Amino acid sequence: DAGITQSPRHKVTETGTPVTLRCHQTENHRYMYWYRQDPGHGLRLIHYSYGVKDTDKGEVSDGYSVSRSKTEDFLLTLESATSSQTSVYFCAISPVSGTTSFEAFFGQGTRLTVV
Amino acid sequence: DQQVKQNSPSLSVQEGRISILNCDYTNSMFDYFLWYKKYPAEGPTFLISISSIKDKNEDGRFTVFLNKSAKHLSLHIVPSQPGDSAVYFCAAPGTSGSARQLTFGSGTQLTVLP
Repeated sequence: DAGITQSPRHKVTETGTPVTLRCHQTENHRYMYWYRQDPGHGLRLIHYSYGVKDTDKGEVSDGYSVSRSKTEDFLLTLESATSSQTSVYFCAISPVSGTTSFEAFFGQGTRLTVV
Repeated sequence: DQQVKQNSPSLSVQEGRISILNCDYTNSMFDYFLWYKKYPAEGPTFLISISSIKDKNEDGRFTVFLNKSAKHLSLHIVPSQPGDSAVYFCAAPGTSGSARQLTFGSGTQLTVLP
């Protein structure tokens, strides 16, 4: 299994509070991604990173910010949590471009409930 | 604008029979496709992929077929086993930039009945 650790695995928070989810990798992969999974929507990209301090928005980035200060860590922050952000969040990693496979490796997920 | 679509939310098959999961896409620039399998409370895991220069890729019980003219791909599982019961996602890497971030379909829940 790819060395990806997400923390926490479960969290319940109140509306309006900030929340930070952490993704840690031991594979030294360049690319890191945050997805959310919701019924009927599959996995949707929130933000991604293509290097330290290099990040970009995905399909559903509103209300989220990210930071990557080290290769191994990618943080997802909900600035002010809302009930619509109740979801399962997955971090993924991928090696540098130029490989023949575009496979991304996923963490175990974080189940976030906003009440 | 969903670029990757899985129109069947669920599929049930008998153990030993063939499972066929379908996926359609709209972006003709996609050059690679992947299938992922997901069990409850786990992250998705890579299953099989296919390049757009091929029309078939086989790996054991799993075969993916690509029909570029119809913008359609399918995953065949033969024979199906109860352990194959999971959600299956098709995905395609982005066509611009180096990150090649994956765009996923909405998934199909496969249930293999013993």
